[in-house]
Amino acid sequence: GENVEQHPSTLSVQEGDSAVIKCTYSDSASNYFPWYKQELGKRPQLIIDIRSNVGEKKDQRIAVTLNKTAKHFSLHITETQPEDSAVYFCAPKSGGSYIPTFGRGTSLIVHP
Amino acid sequence: DAGVTQSPTHLIKTRGQQVTLRCSPKSGHDTVSWYQQALGQGPQFIFQYYEEEERQRGNFPDRFSGHQFPNYSSELNVNALLLGDSALYLCASSPWGTRETQYFGPGTRLLVL
Repeated sequence: GENVEQHPSTLSVQEGDSAVIKCTYSDSASNYFPWYKQELGKRPQLIIDIRSNVGEKKDQRIAVTLNKTAKHFSLHITETQPEDSAVYFCAPKSGGSYIPTFGRGTSLIVHP
Repeated sequence: DAGVTQSPTHLIKTRGQQVTLRCSPKSGHDTVSWYQQALGQGPQFIFQYYEEEERQRGNFPDRFSGHQFPNYSSELNVNALLLGDSALYLCASSPWGTRETQYFGPGTRLLVL
């Protein structure tokens, strides 16, 4: 099965700073790379995703970059706000599997 | 347009009991996946249903079983509950043709005493 690692496990930043979370995966056949945000007591919500034929995707303050050769992809959040505080999960999916493998999560804390 | 719904929201059971959790997918979705999320962990895949059949299964014992109905709703059953089954159980739905994007329900928080 897919081995997925996220770093760091906890990230503390000041409001307005940038935050970067990295996800490393093992299956070279992975072809879909989403990031989910989960606020305390709530459901995971898809915030951005990228497919293997694209290297970067941006949506306002959020971006995802993919390095298929090195088998990692990263979530970038610019101009962080307190409401960005949550746990973020990567969940790469292999083309041979219908099921994503979730990382252990990164707790992002944005201090006002 | 209703999103993914789950019931009940919370549940308390004792060891050895059985539990049934329910999920209604987002309108237009025909595929339902179930996940277990322990405190401080990422969601762990239990199984996925499409066309009323189990299509994929994660590393969970046979005590975990499921069902999908003709209207695409789904149930998760857990028998002989253990303390370690205490977790948030999440249901996610997606359209079969575009499996990548899953939409999660609010979850059912199960506590086993």
